[in-house]
Amino acid sequence: QSALTQPPSASGSPGQSVTISCTGTSSDVGGYNYVSWYQQHPGKAPKLMIYEVSKRPSGVPDRFSGSKSGNTASLTVSGLQAEDEADYYCSSYAANNNVVFGGGTKLTVL
Amino acid sequence: QVQLVESGGGVVQPGRSLRLSCAASGFTFSSYAMYWVRQAPGKGLEWVAVISYDGSNKYYGDSVKGRFTISRDNSKNKLYLQMNSLRTEDTAVYYCARDRKTGYSSSCLEYWGQGTLVTVSS
Repeated sequence: QSALTQPPSASGSPGQSVTISCTGTSSDVGGYNYVSWYQQHPGKAPKLMIYEVSKRPSGVPDRFSGSKSGNTASLTVSGLQAEDEADYYCSSYAANNNVVFGGGTKLTVL
Repeated sequence: QVQLVESGGGVVQPGRSLRLSCAASGFTFSSYAMYWVRQAPGKGLEWVAVISYDGSNKYYGDSVKGRFTISRDNSKNKLYLQMNSLRTEDTAVYYCARDRKTGYSSSCLEYWGQGTLVTVSS
């Protein structure tokens, strides 16, 4: 159950786009289309932003999109806004009914 | 609306036990897999355990296997986490969360509680 690998930080100016990567193995990200992304503001509970690689729950702006290629999943935030500044975590279903999270990426809106 | 409210956190000495509870409302509790996820101070999220909708299947993260037990009471709409042999590294905010789909786990956590802090210290 090794954590998925995310860059510790990412940044962009308002209106720009930023992409956060999430790298796993063929036993998790690469083997299943069950990658999720969560947004967490300081002191708050995580919020689901993307599920099953690229699907958005109701109420999540379409500025948030997800994709996957091989063992790496990505979250793209387009048209950055100040309120997007938060920590972002990826997760994936992993073999033997496990769930694995990434280490998290702190997104800064410059 | 979906509500998940954790309770039972507090300060406990290493080696002792603690039981967390999560009260669920606003949905048919017995239809969904449920999770515990923790977050150590200043650190990332760590999956702790998952239980199927009917309690028949339970899975644990490596760091808690053999020490923690997840359970549920569908008649009371409650989820539990029994934590034994606690270690200082178990110090974290513990969140309960609901799966997005009904039935067995899809590994997608759609709703989260606000968390309860567990501090393991002598």
